This record gives sequence, C-alpha cells and structure tokens, in this order.
Amino acid sequence: DADVTQTPRNRITKTGKRIMLECSQTKGHDRMYWYRQDPGLGLRLIYYSFDVKDINKGEISDGYSVSRQAQAKFSLSLESAIPNQTALYFCATSDPRGVVRTGELFFGEGSRLTVL
Amino acid sequence: SQQGEEDPQALSIQEGENATMNCSYKTSINNLQWYRQNSGRGLVHLILIRSNEREKHSGRLRVTLDTSKKSSSLLITASRAADTASYFCAGTSGSRLTFGEGTQLTVNP
Repeated sequence: DADVTQTPRNRITKTGKRIMLECSQTKGHDRMYWYRQDPGLGLRLIYYSFDVKDINKGEISDGYSVSRQAQAKFSLSLESAIPNQTALYFCATSDPRGVVRTGELFFGEGSRLTVL
Repeated sequence: SQQGEEDPQALSIQEGENATMNCSYKTSINNLQWYRQNSGRGLVHLILIRSNEREKHSGRLRVTLDTSKKSSSLLITASRAADTASYFCAGTSGSRLTFGEGTQLTVNP
C-alpha cells in the first residue's frame, strides 16, 4: 500500500462546481503539503500544514482552501472551480525530526483535475 | 516565483552516456534537493546536499553545489533507458521547499 494516498486520481468537473481532493498518509509525518503542477512551471506550493492546528498559505493559495482533519489527513478544496485550475495536484509529507530540519518530501501519485 | 531554474529544459542522450542537468536559484538556501518524476507519477527524492557541502555522491548520481554562484548540478553517469524521466531541483529556505521547472531527460536505448 502507498504511504501517501490521494483520491480521486482523476476528476473531470465543470466550472463553478465544488471539488475536494483528499490525501491520507501512513508515514506518521506531521508536515503535509499540497502542490500544483502545470506543464513548464514545475510545482507550486498551494498550502502546507505542520500539525493539525497549523495551516499556512503557499505561493498560490487564492481559490483554494484546506482542512487538516487529523495528523494523517489533509484535504484540498476548490470552492468554485475554474478552468485555469486544471492541473495535476500533489500531496506530500515530510518529517522535520532529525538532523536536517527540512528534509525530503514524500509524494502521492497525484490527482489530475480537469475543469471544463 | 520559482526558486530554481533548470537548464536544459530537455536533454536527449544515448544509453551509456552521462547526463548533466543544472539548476540556478535566487535566494539563500538551507539545502538543495533533487527529485525525479516518471511521466504522470509522483516525485521521488534522489539526493539532498546541504548548503555547507560542495559535492555529494549516491550510486550513479553526483551533485555539486556552488553557493557563491547559487547553482547546482546533477550528473547521472552511465545512463540507462530507465533513467528517462523529469528531474527537478528544489531549494529549501526556512520551512519551505520551492521547485524549479524541471529537465526532461530522455535516454535512448
């Protein structure tokens, strides 16, 4: 079983619809992230959370919201989807303990969202 | 804005050749990481180099870091067709990791 699981893997929706992308992890990590990937633009950070009570905006948070329901779960919502939110979305986790405070990220397999 | 900019955007080589990808970044970093992404899949961490390190090796991977030039390079030696993927550098500044735009590497058998 995957350590970081994203659902749904693929979703097609219409403009104006509310969409939720879910992420769950079994790695026991405190830190979770949502990234968006567009062709030629790499990955851009949407939101991140360092524990259940901590939510932080990334570089492109407008039009998105998140919920950290538990240490293992971090959901991304699009309240009213628009076509330029069509992208591949990744959830990731990291463990800040250890020598390197910000170490490697562990990624899910991605959720491909198409907004028509 | 992206922390890293990668060069080249695309690289095509023959199996057995070495592949070198370069990354430049804009602000001070705590460490720099390289990730690999197979088409349509999640990213996988390859190697991390700290800001006080200049070179690091892991198997067929060699990473260098020049903080005075704000640049890093990833060398893959004796490439294989299975190395075909996109490669991303990512700089850590504070608690955040910011990715470059990636290099698409194609290794022809």
